[in-house]
Order: sequence, then C-alpha cells, then structure tokens
Amino acid sequence: AQSVTQPDIHITVSEGASLELRCNYSYGATPYLFWYVQSPGQGLQLLLKYFSGDTLVQGIKGFEAEFKRSQSSFNLRKPSVHWSDAAEYFCAINTGTASKLTFGTGTRLQVTL
Amino acid sequence: GAVVSQHPSRVICKSGTSVKIECRSLDFQATTMFWYRQFPKQSLMLMATSNEGSKATYEQGVEKDKFLINHASLTLSTLTVTSAHPEDSSFYICSASSGGAREQFFGPGTRLTVL
Repeated sequence: AQSVTQPDIHITVSEGASLELRCNYSYGATPYLFWYVQSPGQGLQLLLKYFSGDTLVQGIKGFEAEFKRSQSSFNLRKPSVHWSDAAEYFCAINTGTASKLTFGTGTRLQVTL
Repeated sequence: GAVVSQHPSRVICKSGTSVKIECRSLDFQATTMFWYRQFPKQSLMLMATSNEGSKATYEQGVEKDKFLINHASLTLSTLTVTSAHPEDSSFYICSASSGGAREQFFGPGTRLTVL
C-alpha cells in the first residue's frame, strides 16, 4: 500500500527566511503528487501539483516543489516566507485508484516576526 | 473555477439528533465526491467516496448506517450524521473531482459539535 511521510510535525521560521518542507512517498511507480495548505478552521487549498514533465513545479503564493524520483521525494520550498504563510501543509499522492488521495500527517508552519 | 462549498460551516446539535451537511460543486460537475473527517491537529481521514447516482464506498471502520452519504446529482452530495453523539464532534471536509481527474477540490469544511 502507498504511504506519504512528512517527517517534520512542526517547523518555525523567521519571516523572510527560506523554507523547505519535506515529503517522501512510498509507491511502486511515480504517483501524482500534491501539496495543499490549510489555514485554521478552513478547507484545503491546492498549492501545486506534479503529474509529469519538468520536475520543478511552480505553484501559487511563491511556492515551488521539486520531484526527485531517486529519493521518492517531493519537497516544498519558498525562498522568503511571509507571516501569512503560517498554516498546516499537507503532501498527498494519487496513485490512480478512483482519484483517492493519500495524505501525509501534515507539517505545521509557524512564522516568527 | 473549481469551487466547492459546504453548508453549514458550523453546527451544534444535541446528542441523539441527526445532522445533514451539504457539499456543492459550484462551477463544475463533480462525478466523484469524497468525505473526510479531521481531528484536531491531525491529517484528513477519508470516510467515503461517492459517485453520482451510485452508493457510496466507505472506508474500513466507517459505519455506513451512521454516516449516510447521498450523491444524487453532479453538483450535490450530502453527509448525514445520524443519532449524533459527542464522539462524532469533528471537522468534516468534502472534496470533489470531475471525470476521473486526479485532482480534488476541497470545500471549506464543517465544524460539528455534539453536546
């Protein structure tokens, strides 16, 4: 069965600092990959996705992610974090089974001023 | 585009009553809708998958008779929590996809509190 691991439960960065959130997956082939962001009490918003092609994908709000097949990773990055980026971030994969998503446990990002 | 709404956003009910939550795709036809439950500071747990006009497929451990899901049209799915108890208090989120697409679009969630 497939799985998604987000090793960091909680990350704190200073505003203006760079950010990298880690995501690793376990699956026998290349899945469809997603990063979602959730603000408190809200639903999930799609930041970016990777289906195929260029392994560096750009998303909304200045985020990008790089797919590395050799490491089964899809890490999310942002060069300069804003206080409004404080939220919960979920990595997810779709392996083609009825569009079902498998989510990681999430990483809570705190931004200090 | 691809907007999903949920109603209500919050609901408080007494133990033993039933609560219905609506999930609507506003600008696309949702052939498949998903219902998730999220406990505080945890990830989303898929409860069930529903295809328009078909019975929902429930994940292991989810009580079908307690969480009734209906997907009667391409824009509306409902989750009814029957005979709700305090342990059913949670954040319920729906999502929708279209035509077998890999991407899901999420609603804003419904906070259910059972007293």
